[in-house]
Amino acid sequence: GENVEQHPSTLSVQEGDSAVIKCTYSDSASNYFPWYKQELGKGPQLIIDIRSNVGEKKDQRIAVTLNKTAKHFSLHITETQPEDSAVYFCAALLGGYQKVTFGIGTKLQVIP
Amino acid sequence: NAGVTQTPKFQVLKTGQSMTLQCAQDMNHEYMSWYRQDPGMGLRLIHYSVGAGITDQGEVPNGYNVSRSTTEDFPLRLLSAAPSQTSVYFCASTKGETQYFGPGTRLLVL
Repeated sequence: GENVEQHPSTLSVQEGDSAVIKCTYSDSASNYFPWYKQELGKGPQLIIDIRSNVGEKKDQRIAVTLNKTAKHFSLHITETQPEDSAVYFCAALLGGYQKVTFGIGTKLQVIP
Repeated sequence: NAGVTQTPKFQVLKTGQSMTLQCAQDMNHEYMSWYRQDPGMGLRLIHYSVGAGITDQGEVPNGYNVSRSTTEDFPLRLLSAAPSQTSVYFCASTKGETQYFGPGTRLLVL
């Protein structure tokens, strides 16, 4: 089955700096890669996603890049703010959410 | 819209007890699912449903049962709780490629 590795497990950055979280996947047939943000005591919330036929996608301060050849995708957050502090999860899907594999999560701390 | 709601927020069980975790959504989504979240393991799919009357197993279904009698409700049943089922449980409702999660139920099995 699919295997998703996520790095780093924890990340501390100064407010205003950029943060990058990386994920690799094993099944080249995976075709959809969402990123979720989970705030303390809440459920995960979709923040950005990318399909396998796209190399990069941006939404204001967040962006996701996908390298299909290397089978890795990354989340980039620029100009980080304290409210960006949360746990971020990547995921890889093969056809639909019936076949979804999540990464273990990255705890991001933005230091004011 | 309330979105996805889950009850209870927190529950303590003794080994062997049974309970039902409730999940409801008011978005008229056909697809719903249950996950468990454990430290160092991310989210793992327990069961899912593509519509009323249809359920199927996910990655870690053992020890759990589900049913889907209505579009709105998707309860998760633990028939005989075990300490290994101590976890945070999330219900999700999906429309297209967007998955909406509930706030979670924290379960402790002693």
